[in-house]
Amino acid sequence: QVQLVESGGGVVQPGRSLTLSCAASGFSFSTYGMHWVRQAPGKGLEWLAVISYDGSHRYYTDSVKGRFTISRDNSNNTLYLQVNSLRAEDTAVYYCGKDQNHYDSTGPLDYWGQGTLLTVSS
Amino acid sequence: DIQMTQSPSSLSASVGDRVTITCRASQSVSTYVNWYQQKPGKAPKVLIYTTSSLQSGVPSRFSGSGSGTDFTLTISSLQPEDFATYYCQQTFNTPRTFGQGTRLEIK
Repeated sequence: QVQLVESGGGVVQPGRSLTLSCAASGFSFSTYGMHWVRQAPGKGLEWLAVISYDGSHRYYTDSVKGRFTISRDNSNNTLYLQVNSLRAEDTAVYYCGKDQNHYDSTGPLDYWGQGTLLTVSS
Repeated sequence: DIQMTQSPSSLSASVGDRVTITCRASQSVSTYVNWYQQKPGKAPKVLIYTTSSLQSGVPSRFSGSGSGTDFTLTISSLQPEDFATYYCQQTFNTPRTFGQGTRLEIK
């Protein structure tokens, strides 16, 4: 069965950097686009970024462009989100999600991880 | 960026009620709208994709309609397990924006 397991969250000081990971299993990882979505405490969902199945295309929402980098390692079935210059407003649960469409990242997110909490605080 | 505006933001209803949630896009998104359900402490779950396609395993009391800028999610007869927060999302363009959510509560 499809599984997505995020890791790497924790408490980080403002201005620091961190890399979140999402280990995927149960599907052909290298043929699906992958997304990151976050949710601040008590708030709604915010889509952050998508990477194409082969890593050749990456798109970001404006609020994280230039600070966050999405990447993937298809040989190890792992998705990453490098987060730099962290701010208090980046405090959230970070989810990875699998795109439903093969070779196309315009589908819904049909599988989600359990989320990893990142807290930015001094 | 395309803005997705849901209404209402919250809604109280009873078991057995028919409920409709609306999502309006700031520009046309064709039929590239998905609907998700999220329960407290859990990841979202997709219910409807490309406006009206029912995700596998989702009960048929959920349905979606619309095109262009106006979309609806309808629950034909509310069940106790349907009390949750619902989000629309457009996948017509990046960023793939979500609506702000509609919290469905028990009356």
